[in-house]
Amino acid sequence: GAVVSQHPSWVICKSGTSVKIECRSLDFQATTMFWYRQFPKQSLMLMATSNEGSKATYEQGVEKDKFLINHASLTLSTLTVTSAHPEDSSFYICSARDRAGAYLADTQYFGPGTRLTVL
Amino acid sequence: AQSVTQPDIHITVSEGASLELRCNYSYGATPYLFWYVQSPGQGLQLLLKYFSGDTLVQGIKGFEAEFKRSQSSFNLRKPSVHWSDAAEYFCAVGAEAGNNRKLIWGLGTSLAVNP
Repeated sequence: GAVVSQHPSWVICKSGTSVKIECRSLDFQATTMFWYRQFPKQSLMLMATSNEGSKATYEQGVEKDKFLINHASLTLSTLTVTSAHPEDSSFYICSARDRAGAYLADTQYFGPGTRLTVL
Repeated sequence: AQSVTQPDIHITVSEGASLELRCNYSYGATPYLFWYVQSPGQGLQLLLKYFSGDTLVQGIKGFEAEFKRSQSSFNLRKPSVHWSDAAEYFCAVGAEAGNNRKLIWGLGTSLAVNP
């Protein structure tokens, strides 16, 4: 089946630094990728949707200058948390879909997530 | 507005017992409905999905779900639970939002299985 990897699986950083999280589709071309944030014991919150080669579409309330998303290739998307603060600590999950602008019935394949802790 | 409600935050069942996880949705059009499972250290995995046709949907790992339009529900069932089914279960509805297509998620139900 389709596999999505994330790297790193966990990261600890100091306040004010930037952290980059990678999301890769290993055996398919991901024309659309999604970035989610999940707080403990809570559901997934969609942060942004990115299509390969175009700018990401951010959900309302998500700061695009703080959470930089780059989807430069069909197999890689990155999320960079800039000037991280302790309140950015969370579990970040990416998912990928292999058809752009396609039917809602398309399955999203999820990465295992990245645990970010900002000190 | 589109929304998904999972009324049960936490459920505990005995191994071998039957299971039903509830999901109610609010969506104006014909919904696309999904159940995902999240196990520690693993990515969310699709159990099953419904978008048309037979309202009883079979999924992986012995799970099934039934779409009931009159009740706006898409409950997940399994006749006999295994200890390995202990995980977090999420119901989601696919929604159009302008040029975007995204999933609206429920808050999840945490399933514990007693030996």
